[in-house]
Amino acid sequence: KQEVTQIPAALSVPEGENLVLNCSFTDSAIYNLQWFRQDPGKGLTSLLLIQSSQREQTSGRLNASLDKSSGRSTLYIAASQPGDSATYLCAGDSGGGADGLTFGKGTHLIIQP
Amino acid sequence: AAGVIQSPRHLIKEKRETATLKCYPIPRHDTVYWYQQGPGQDPQFLISFYEKMQSDKGSIPDRFSAQQFSDYHSELNMSSLELGDSALYFCASSSLLGPGGEQYFGPGTRLTVT
Repeated sequence: KQEVTQIPAALSVPEGENLVLNCSFTDSAIYNLQWFRQDPGKGLTSLLLIQSSQREQTSGRLNASLDKSSGRSTLYIAASQPGDSATYLCAGDSGGGADGLTFGKGTHLIIQP
Repeated sequence: AAGVIQSPRHLIKEKRETATLKCYPIPRHDTVYWYQQGPGQDPQFLISFYEKMQSDKGSIPDRFSAQQFSDYHSELNMSSLELGDSALYFCASSSLLGPGGEQYFGPGTRLTVT
């Protein structure tokens, strides 16, 4: 059974800093790895999807990488802004079609103005 | 762009009552997933459907059932509700025929059991 761990659980940094959020998973047979953003009491917004055959994806100030051999994914946020404050969740599935995602517990990020 | 629609957005029920949550996937998406997120918890996968057939099953209680209809919308039926069922319920959809299989989440239904 896939287990996903996110470090750190919480992070507070000044505006403008670059930062890295970490995600590790136990099953290297992971197929899709998705990063989500969740604002308090709100839904999940998909940020980036890394498919099994890919190693990284970029969208604007966000870059996510996937290393299946080490069981790790990282989300890099460049030039952080107060609007980036949210909980960031990574989740993976094991392929095979309509598999459900296994989520980490998230990193609660606060960007100080 | 059209997103996943969930209804109702909020629902208040009493213990032992039943509840039905509805999910309308993004047009042309063939797969629907249900997740439960308790207070302060990460989302937990419940069940998924592909082309109206159950595909994957997670930690869905026996008191819950779900199905996907011919128009691809899905309903999650919850019976004998317990206080611990109070949570945010998300539906997600994806297209397994297209590239990626990225899951897109709806805004959620907040269920409160009193």
